[in-house]
Amino acid sequence: IVLTQSPATLSLSPGERATLSCRASQSVSSYLAWYQQKPGQAPRLLIFDASNRATGIPARFSGSGSRTDFTLTISSLEPEDFAVYFCQQRDNWPLTFGGGTKVEIK
Amino acid sequence: EVQLLESGGGLVQPGGSLRLSCAASGFTFRSYDMNWVRQAPGKGLEWVSGISGSGTSTYYADSVKGRFTISRDNSKNTLNLQMNSLRSEDTGVYFCAKMVRGYCLDVWGKGTTVTVS
Repeated sequence: IVLTQSPATLSLSPGERATLSCRASQSVSSYLAWYQQKPGQAPRLLIFDASNRATGIPARFSGSGSRTDFTLTISSLEPEDFAVYFCQQRDNWPLTFGGGTKVEIK
Repeated sequence: EVQLLESGGGLVQPGGSLRLSCAASGFTFRSYDMNWVRQAPGKGLEWVSGISGSGTSTYYADSVKGRFTISRDNSKNTLNLQMNSLRSEDTGVYFCAKMVRGYCLDVWGKGTTVTVS
């Protein structure tokens, strides 16, 4: 299953809303996770099962969608949110990741 | 505190071998599936291999099948990745990650760097 993320880069200012898309080449039901990665760090799990926040993740992060179309929304960008975001699925092996969306400061 | 710590990375010539290890602590290691994920310089994430908690089931990306072998020692809380016939495209940071809910990677190590050149 191929995951396509868009846009590749999102240029926004702190306080703005970020909307990131992940599209699957076939249905993954709701087995879709989102990760955040900052330079030089390991990824961090944000969202699992498409819409559930992982432990300790702020409420400004939300996920939605099912089957083939998914969205990660950051309601109001904080300075620490500028990073790369990846979606990931495992409806079937192998696990696959999307190519990533970089959220950069405008 | 739940922790994963990778080791074993380094510089190796094409065709060479390397063995990565991941030491786990702070959770019941044998109860969780574990995975290796890699990231080439400046690129995205690529899943490499996974193993069930008992070690009886293993999974590989097509790109490494037949060259890499994943294993675990539940008595030592250690995950391993034996990498043979290494190629330049295997260069990158290798992360070990704990799996929950059958697919989410909720805890990651800091990674170990493999350079094939």
